[in-house]
Amino acid sequence: NAGVTQTPKFQVLKTGQSMTLQCAQDMNHNSMYWYRQDPGMGLRLIYYSASEGTTDKGEVPNGYNVSRLNKREFSLRLESAAPSQTSVYFCASTITGGDTEAFFGQGTRLTVV
Amino acid sequence: GENVEQHPSTLSVQEGDSAVIKCTYSDSASNYFPWYKQELGKGPQLIIDIRSNVGEKKDQRIAVTLNKTAKHFSLHITETQPEDSAVYFCAARLGAGGTSYGKLTFGQGTILTVHP
Repeated sequence: NAGVTQTPKFQVLKTGQSMTLQCAQDMNHNSMYWYRQDPGMGLRLIYYSASEGTTDKGEVPNGYNVSRLNKREFSLRLESAAPSQTSVYFCASTITGGDTEAFFGQGTRLTVV
Repeated sequence: GENVEQHPSTLSVQEGDSAVIKCTYSDSASNYFPWYKQELGKGPQLIIDIRSNVGEKKDQRIAVTLNKTAKHFSLHITETQPEDSAVYFCAARLGAGGTSYGKLTFGQGTILTVHP
């Protein structure tokens, strides 16, 4: 059982480049989340999808777009990367409607130069 | 929206001592409060959680308390061990009825160091 899988694990981008971070879960969860983690800032929510077909903004959505491709997959896109988007990105999933554990991927370390 | 404040940002204790981390939340619609432990290079993992209809929950050396009136909740670790050293996060999840149902908001994290 793989849980939540993120790709890639590491990425270096030049300012202005675009890329998509991929996330897939195999636990039949309804809700999926994208967070960024910066020193001293904790985990800040970028976007989340409460269920397939819906997406909502979190605390820090500017500069990002998301796609809930199907129940398993939730991707995060940076259209024009900026140095301020240098961070570690985590995808998570959970069962909607239940007060249950959110499972996290291993993270993607992104550096924008 | 929901705002979760976590204190302290760093905590250093001697092995065997207790450690307490405190969080406050702003939205009374939050009804689920998990605590996560993150080790270096890994994603956060759930260690204990509490629901809004419960005041206290214990799991071996770890306990969590919730005061809904004051909107704060705390993590208590007793008889700390060096392997408890990690970053700990509290979180609050909005319940049904709100426009942001299911949104999971985290605190800023606490770096816990347990000295042998």
